[in-house]
Amino acid sequence: DTAVSQTPKYLVTQMGNDKSIKCEQNLGHDTMYWYKQDSKKFLKIMFSYNNKELIINETVPNRFSPKSPDKAHLNLHINSLELGDSAVYFCASSQETSGRYEQYFGPGTRLTVT
Amino acid sequence: GESVGLHLPTLSVQEGDNSIINCAYSNSASDYFIWYKQESGKGPQFIIDIRSNMDKRQGQRVTVLLNKTVKHLSLQIAATQPGDSAVYFCAETHQGAQKLVFGQGTRLTINP
Repeated sequence: DTAVSQTPKYLVTQMGNDKSIKCEQNLGHDTMYWYKQDSKKFLKIMFSYNNKELIINETVPNRFSPKSPDKAHLNLHINSLELGDSAVYFCASSQETSGRYEQYFGPGTRLTVT
Repeated sequence: GESVGLHLPTLSVQEGDNSIINCAYSNSASDYFIWYKQESGKGPQFIIDIRSNMDKRQGQRVTVLLNKTVKHLSLQIAATQPGDSAVYFCAETHQGAQKLVFGQGTRLTINP
């Protein structure tokens, strides 16, 4: 059973287009995240949602808009795509338990903007 | 500001040898640390964690050491196998932070 799933796995699009990435978790976690991983493998948090409410927005351009229809889903919509948006985007989820903050990651979506 | 860094971006070891991956952090408020393994084309996968009230924790073939005095974290992998080849990340957080801060990552290559 897939714990955290993302679609699509690969996304190739042209500058200026609008695209969405979807994420679902079946772990029953309350918190979900979006991360961006650049070509040097650096992982940077973008957004965090807890029970459908935004709790972290890490200085991300407002072309990026997350949406959480329910606590099992966190989608990422990107408007007016730019070359610099090319990266791998990871969704993750977590549920704090006894002071542990382990996050479970999806397989990633490789976005290429041409 | 917060930062979590790694001393070595790449590390090559012979199969069967032990490897040590190091990580430095600067936020003295951090009280929870995780090591993740990321294989090519996959998402990061949890390896082991440690809270700041401990200085050592062991798992299967892995040991995490925490030195709060110098804000240093290390991951030791015993008897490395080809499947250990991956990028390894340390991450840190503290109660109330609501996020993990990831280090730079170290690419570990196991040579046959």
